[in-house]
Amino acid sequence: GAGVSQSPRYKVAKRGQDVALRCDPISGHVSLFWYQQALGQGPEFLTYFQNEAQLDKSGLPSDRFFAERPEGSVSTLKIQRTQQEDSAVYLCASSLHPQNTGELFFGEGSRLTVL
Amino acid sequence: AQRVTQPEKLLSVFKGAPVELKCNYSYSGSPELFWYVQYSRQRLQLLLRHISRESIKGFTADLNKGETSFHLKKPFAQEEDSAMYYCALGPSGGSYIPTFGRGTSLIVHP
Repeated sequence: GAGVSQSPRYKVAKRGQDVALRCDPISGHVSLFWYQQALGQGPEFLTYFQNEAQLDKSGLPSDRFFAERPEGSVSTLKIQRTQQEDSAVYLCASSLHPQNTGELFFGEGSRLTVL
Repeated sequence: AQRVTQPEKLLSVFKGAPVELKCNYSYSGSPELFWYVQYSRQRLQLLLRHISRESIKGFTADLNKGETSFHLKKPFAQEEDSAMYYCALGPSGGSYIPTFGRGTSLIVHP
């Protein structure tokens, strides 16, 4: 497809379970971002990749959160031992060039509910 | 640190009324500012950016460096404008990270 694709769209996890969220960016886009969006809030930055390099992970809330983009295209956000406060929509966005990262193309998001 | 403030969580107007969604930013350099929109059950998408000085769907936004504002305006609101609107500050100062405001929900009543 032409847009950013995320899967799963919805995920329900029991507290303590591990989850993995996938992002397939637009082909050729160098920059990839993960954001977390809690209910009623704006997107909060989690981590940033330029190709396969994770240049910024300062927004990851704890060491239970891990992201990778091993071949510079598809990215996976993994959350270990999920907690209720992890419930949110996780947004992936990509942009063509690092110099143009204000203009982002977003996926539809993965809504995570932790029971 | 970069910060974007959208003071209104909700803005409710009637069709045909003017609309102004407020955005203030905190950044000391030359900012790049954007407005994103999210319609119901759709993904977040770019609406406009200040450097292009364009009007999209009748919306305009002017960067006021003196007031550090980038308010989004439309003279006559339409029902289809109902959506969540997010103001965003582009990356700067060696960072690659755009910063988003918390969003304003615009409801346009018939």
